[in-house]
Amino acid sequence: EAGVTQFPSHSVIEKGQTVTLRCDPISGHDNLYWYRRVMGKEIKFLLHFVKESKQDESGMPNNRFLAERTGGTYSTLKVQPAELEDSGVYFCASSPSFFQETQYFGPGTRLLVL
Amino acid sequence: ELKVEQNPLFLSMQEGKNYTIYCNYSTTSDRLYWYRQDPGKSLESLFVLLSNGAVKQEGRLMASLDTKARLSTLHITAAVHDLSATYFCAAPVKYNNNDMRFGAGTRLTVKP
Repeated sequence: EAGVTQFPSHSVIEKGQTVTLRCDPISGHDNLYWYRRVMGKEIKFLLHFVKESKQDESGMPNNRFLAERTGGTYSTLKVQPAELEDSGVYFCASSPSFFQETQYFGPGTRLLVL
Repeated sequence: ELKVEQNPLFLSMQEGKNYTIYCNYSTTSDRLYWYRQDPGKSLESLFVLLSNGAVKQEGRLMASLDTKARLSTLHITAAVHDLSATYFCAAPVKYNNNDMRFGAGTRLTVKP
């Protein structure tokens, strides 16, 4: 069974540009989460999808971040325009049911904004 | 707001020694998770502790949960170099909810 995949693995962009990160959850997993770890800080929750609906987006830092999950399958996280403080590692995770024991994490996308 | 605190943040130990990593959380939580992350890799689930007094063991690692004290421990027995990694604990924000708050992580280095 394929795990959670993320694309790209690395992205280097300039301040003011737009970047779109993609996450493909494990097939059949209704729950999809985005987290990020800014350099030197803890991993922080961004938002949670149940199928195509946003269950909780309380962790989204500001309106420069837009997450979508088309048809309840893969998800994208767009940052527009990117700022220096957006640099970090963006993780995606998925789990099959709402009260599931564990979340399965993807390898992360390392974003560097110059 | 739920806060999850780990200590120590950095741990350097000799092979063969024992040590404990502590994870404190600030509000009532019914579950506690431990993850391992190798450099440049994803988080790998180690343990899920679902109730007060839960204890789980896998190889040289043993995790426990005390919900009354709001404390979980990850005990390392007779450490080996392969255990070198960063270990995270995480707790759900709300009961019956999967949105998690993570500790800052403990970077463990096991020296031969």
